[in-house]
Amino acid sequence: DGGITQSPKYLFRKEGQNVTLSCEQNLNHDAMYWYRQDPGQGLRLIYYSQIVNDFQKGDIAEGYSVSREKKESFPLTVTSAQKNPTAFYLCASQGTGFVEKLFFGSGTQLSVL
Amino acid sequence: SQKIEQNSEALNIQEGKTATLTCNYTNYSPAYLQWYRQDPGRGPVFLLLIRENEKEKRKERLKVTFDTTLKQSLFHITASQPADSATYLCALSGGSYIPTFGRGTSLIVHP
Repeated sequence: DGGITQSPKYLFRKEGQNVTLSCEQNLNHDAMYWYRQDPGQGLRLIYYSQIVNDFQKGDIAEGYSVSREKKESFPLTVTSAQKNPTAFYLCASQGTGFVEKLFFGSGTQLSVL
Repeated sequence: SQKIEQNSEALNIQEGKTATLTCNYTNYSPAYLQWYRQDPGRGPVFLLLIRENEKEKRKERLKVTFDTTLKQSLFHITASQPADSATYLCALSGGSYIPTFGRGTSLIVHP
């Protein structure tokens, strides 16, 4: 089955720790996105990538980092510089350009211990 | 600055009625407007996409309109059911616009 997989479903971060959220897709999509969602809020863009080995900052990139070494994979690292990391993180992929529908993963809930 | 506005108050309706959700935007000229459904703790699921040159689009009990003059989209669910209860997000995209989402409107359908 084609789709987009996020893991883990739940993640806990200790003070000063970096954590990495996984996102994998087998849809052969070029574009991938990371969004952050806070309770009662919309989706805010963290980073996006339109092609392998290239990515761009979104509206709230501070305290986060990404890599795109393979077309299928777009991991997000939440660094210790992100002081308020508790949120629901969503990864999405999209076909050509910015025009097609997005496919979302099931999300990762990150909480601070 | 660019803004996408959806009603932050939940919409409560009775089963069988038509639900109408609104998405307004400013300082955008999107080529596409999309609607998604999101259930609690899950990722959004695509429902419908409408292009700027289309006035209306339908899919089963769903209907979307797109008025580029008013800068507004309306999303209708006819013969609503309790299973339609969810949060509905609109998103603008196309051209140079990275897909950008509104905060969503919660729909609650009462039996």
